[in-house]
Amino acid sequence: DTGVSQDPRHKITKRGQNVTFRCDPISEHNRLYWYRQTLGQGPEFLTYFQNEAQLEKSRLLSDRFSAERPKGSFSTLEIQRTEQGDSAMYLCASNFPGTSVPNEQFFGPGTRLTVL
Amino acid sequence: AQSVAQPEDQVNVAEGNPLTVKCTYSVSGNPYLFWYVQYPNRGLQFLLKYITGDNLVKGSYGFEAEFNKSQTSFHLKKPSALVSDSALYFCAVRDIGHDYKLSFGAGTTVTVRA
Repeated sequence: DTGVSQDPRHKITKRGQNVTFRCDPISEHNRLYWYRQTLGQGPEFLTYFQNEAQLEKSRLLSDRFSAERPKGSFSTLEIQRTEQGDSAMYLCASNFPGTSVPNEQFFGPGTRLTVL
Repeated sequence: AQSVAQPEDQVNVAEGNPLTVKCTYSVSGNPYLFWYVQYPNRGLQFLLKYITGDNLVKGSYGFEAEFNKSQTSFHLKKPSALVSDSALYFCAVRDIGHDYKLSFGAGTTVTVRA
């Protein structure tokens, strides 16, 4: 399977614990995105990387959230001191940005986080 | 800021009947619009996009969408729905000037009954 993969698919944690998610994009894609999706809502942009550089972060990304893409390949999203409000599906996507024509983003299956 | 609205939370149709999922957008400038579908426990799958050109865009799985600039709409359509089309559908717009960001609607749940 050459699509975007995410690990783990499900994570249950207690409030206050730290969690880390991993995303492996499609290998030739230089852009990688993180979104958060809560029940009944569409995905909301969190942050994105072009190669290893993190170029934009949403206001949704509080200080407890950090993302990395150290070698321009896979990425990790860490949430420190989790809160119940962090419970959501975390989606990763990748693509080439396109020049004159924007390219669609390819999404992974997501990591569902439940904070007890 | 760019945004999209999906006015219907749910759409129910009988198999074989036409399916329409509505989307309206608000942008400054020319819109880049997308439709995605999400099946349970799976990520979003790209269906089609409108960038420029023909107002009728054809996509995957027999879906098409009609761009209407005067009504600021981008409705998703399928002439004959299948039970397997039952899923959650999202309309999205790419922010002008922020080519990294998609803004999604809240989604429309489609149920196709046999």
